[in-house]
Amino acid sequence: QLQLQESGPGLVKPSETLSLICSVSGASITSSDYYWGWIRQPPGKGLEWIGSLYYSGSTYYNPSLKSRVTISVDTSKNQFSLNLTSVTAADTALYYCARLKPPTRGVSWGYFDYWGQGTLVTVSS
Amino acid sequence: QLVLTQSPSASASLGASVKLTCTLSSGHSSYAIAWHQQQPEKGPRYLMKLNSDGSHIKGDGIPERFSGSSSGAERYLTISSLQSEDEAVYYCQTWGTGIHVLFGGGTKLTVL
Repeated sequence: QLQLQESGPGLVKPSETLSLICSVSGASITSSDYYWGWIRQPPGKGLEWIGSLYYSGSTYYNPSLKSRVTISVDTSKNQFSLNLTSVTAADTALYYCARLKPPTRGVSWGYFDYWGQGTLVTVSS
Repeated sequence: QLVLTQSPSASASLGASVKLTCTLSSGHSSYAIAWHQQQPEKGPRYLMKLNSDGSHIKGDGIPERFSGSSSGAERYLTISSLQSEDEAVYYCQTWGTGIHVLFGGGTKLTVL
């Protein structure tokens, strides 16, 4: 059974960098059939896609966050990570990692078919 | 511009059926979507991928009570024999060139 688990600091100071790791178990992150993504949810609000990556290192980011986001993969650990720089209170949210399934081969978009349980990150001094 | 529109709230009685709607913006009626369920204090759960012709692929372990259908630019999620644990927020999600991933605003379902 595929499982995704987010981990990282629950509190980050303004202007610093938010760093999270998603550990994947029950499936290989190097599967050619899937991408992997990060999504966030501010308290009481809806879901916002942050970005996605392929195990080869190809990445795709939400244009609204692109200047501050880096997503990377560590295939040896079956993990991928999120870095978000220059955070403000507006970045306070539940952060989820998920597996993304493209509807057809050769495209980098699709739907999330497995989700982690999420981790709350608060930006505050 | 691709937009997914969902009603903010819906309600139905225990044991009844409810039909939630996700509407694709003009010019995007051929797009498939996915439905996700988010129960209180939990992460989202994938329910199904729903195509424009109404065919759908459910996630692992999703009960038969959950079904999907389509009509034009509208994508529906029908839940029959409502149970208390169906009280949740339901999100639709789509994808495509340039946008990669897009979520609707979610519908909060209350089971009376």
